[in-house]
Amino acid sequence: QITLKESGPTLVKPTQTLTLTCTLSGVSLSSGPVGVGWVRQAPGKALEWLAVIYWDDDYRYNPDLKSRLAVMRDSSKNQVFLTVTNVDPMDTGTYFCAHEPFYYHESGYYSIAFDVWGQGTLVTVSS
Amino acid sequence: SSELAQPPSVSVSPGQKATISCSGDALGNTETAWYQQRAGQSPLLVIYQTNKRPSGIPERFSGSKSGNIATLTISETQAMDEADYYCQAWDRDTHVLFGGGTKLSVL
Repeated sequence: QITLKESGPTLVKPTQTLTLTCTLSGVSLSSGPVGVGWVRQAPGKALEWLAVIYWDDDYRYNPDLKSRLAVMRDSSKNQVFLTVTNVDPMDTGTYFCAHEPFYYHESGYYSIAFDVWGQGTLVTVSS
Repeated sequence: SSELAQPPSVSVSPGQKATISCSGDALGNTETAWYQQRAGQSPLLVIYQTNKRPSGIPERFSGSKSGNIATLTISETQAMDEADYYCQAWDRDTHVLFGGGTKLSVL
């Protein structure tokens, strides 16, 4: 059974850097082909994709937030980290990490979307 | 365009069919996924690769696509299906796109 759990600060001051951790169990980031994505949701608002890191260390960022985001992993601990720099009250919300499996077919990898999600962690940006 | 458009709300009577649309230029070149999010819970994948159901998702959930419009259909809608539904796809640079979400009310 695959599970993911987010952890990090619940309160961050404006202009600070937010660092979140996603701890995976039941799956290895280095065994591939898998990805771990970060998605956030402001209170009462829609899901917003932030970033994804893949088994081969490739990654993608939301173009609108790219300059403030960084994603990395520690395969030895089966953890993925997301940092958001220069936070603002607009960054307040619940942050989810999610597992993205792939399958190989005819010389390409294809995503099965985000099939397992963490419970989310609420982050408030306020002075 | 990198946007996916969904109707803000859909209402359906119990036992009737609910359809939720998702439109966007990206859909013409990519697969679509759908997520259900009940109040206070994490999203749950209900459809992937446009029309496939993960294990454990009831058969009343189905997905389809025609051109740039993807559709989630819930046949014989039940009260427990009341939730927010989000479509998801990828753009040409494999960035993830989410729709704005549709609140399904079962009245």
